[in-house]
Amino acid sequence: DTGVSQDPRHKITKRGQNVTFRCDPISEHNRLYWYRQTLGQGPEFLTYFQNEAQLEKSRLLSDRFSAERPKGSFSTLEIQRTEQGDSAMYLCASSSDLAGGNYGYTFGSGTRLTVV
Amino acid sequence: SQQGEEDPQALSIQEGENATMNCSYKTSINNLQWYRQNSGRGLVHLILIRSNEREKHSGRLRVTLDTSKKSSSLLITASRAADTASYFCATDFNAGKSTFGDGTTLTVKP
Repeated sequence: DTGVSQDPRHKITKRGQNVTFRCDPISEHNRLYWYRQTLGQGPEFLTYFQNEAQLEKSRLLSDRFSAERPKGSFSTLEIQRTEQGDSAMYLCASSSDLAGGNYGYTFGSGTRLTVV
Repeated sequence: SQQGEEDPQALSIQEGENATMNCSYKTSINNLQWYRQNSGRGLVHLILIRSNEREKHSGRLRVTLDTSKKSSSLLITASRAADTASYFCATDFNAGKSTFGDGTTLTVKP
């Protein structure tokens, strides 16, 4: 297992277009997280899954954002009708809550989105 | 607002010196984690300390946690140029979802 994979690494899109990102977590991890990070800031929580169930979604997340994790494996994050304010690094992380709790996240390298 | 806040925002030291950065948070936590991020890359987990622990070590890293003051510190001893990165604390207060601060940018000059 090579860690958490994210695809694509970079995405440039025109305002108003839809984009979809993919995350492949570590196979043994049952939890998957999406974060967004802008320059000079820390990662901001978007949503997370335990297996295939979406347990929490940030109130900051507009209804243009949707995430899925079918079958509890890979996850996709879709942004509809992109806006320039959506430009950011989108980070995926996975973790395991087995054996008594959080042991820390393993992050992917991120997808950098630029909306022009 | 973010749960954790790192201090200082930026730190510049000479190679071989020790670097200390601090994290303060607002509510009770299950655990606190420290991560490193090199420019434009994903975050790397360094160390996790649970609420019932006071100190942990990993190589040149030493983390302390004071739950009465709601604060933690990360000490990097004998720093190297390769330690140049941003360092983030993350607090888990909601059974698995961690909240990150805005980080400390460390520059280690050779």
